[in-house]
Amino acid sequence: KQEVTQIPAALSVPEGENLVLNCSFTDSAIYNLQWFRQDPGKGLTSLLLIQSSQREQTSGRLNASLDKSSGRSTLYIAASQPGDSATYLCAVSSSNTGKLIFGQGTTLQVKP
Amino acid sequence: DAGVIQSPRHEVTEMGQEVTLRCKPISGHDYLFWYRQTMMRGLELLIYFNNNVPIDDSGMPEDRFSAKMPNASFSTLKIQPSEPRDSAVYFCASSRRENTGELFFGEGSRLTVL
Repeated sequence: KQEVTQIPAALSVPEGENLVLNCSFTDSAIYNLQWFRQDPGKGLTSLLLIQSSQREQTSGRLNASLDKSSGRSTLYIAASQPGDSATYLCAVSSSNTGKLIFGQGTTLQVKP
Repeated sequence: DAGVIQSPRHEVTEMGQEVTLRCKPISGHDYLFWYRQTMMRGLELLIYFNNNVPIDDSGMPEDRFSAKMPNASFSTLKIQPSEPRDSAVYFCASSRRENTGELFFGEGSRLTVL
């Protein structure tokens, strides 16, 4: 059974700092991995999707990497801003149906 | 596109009452998912549909929960009778197989059962 773990559960950093969020999964037979952002009281917004054949994806200040063999992904946020404060969720899928298994998330606070 | 639309956004009800949550997926998406989010358990998949047909309902917690998708643009999640432990945020999401399986979420329905 696939299990997804995110460390740390919470993180507080000063504005401008570069940071890394970690995600690990137990079954390396994945189809893709997605990183989401969730603001309080809101739904989930897809940030990056990495296919199993890819090593990384980039969008603006965000970079996500995938090491399928070791069951790990990282989300790198460059030059963090207070507006980046949110919960970041990692999720993996074993098919292209969109069926995802989620981690518990990392709650990020960026202080001005 | 308007995205995934859910209603109601908030529902407060008393134990024993029937609750119906509604979802309109993104047009053209052939997969629809119902997730539940709680502080204790995080996001859990309840059920998902492909082309309006339920594929996997193994996450539905009890017989009190049921879901339907009568057409490609509408789905319901029903709880009857509701219990306080059903209090959670229920999310609907949709995806399109040709779109590499990227999942798009609605804003969620926050349910409180007193």
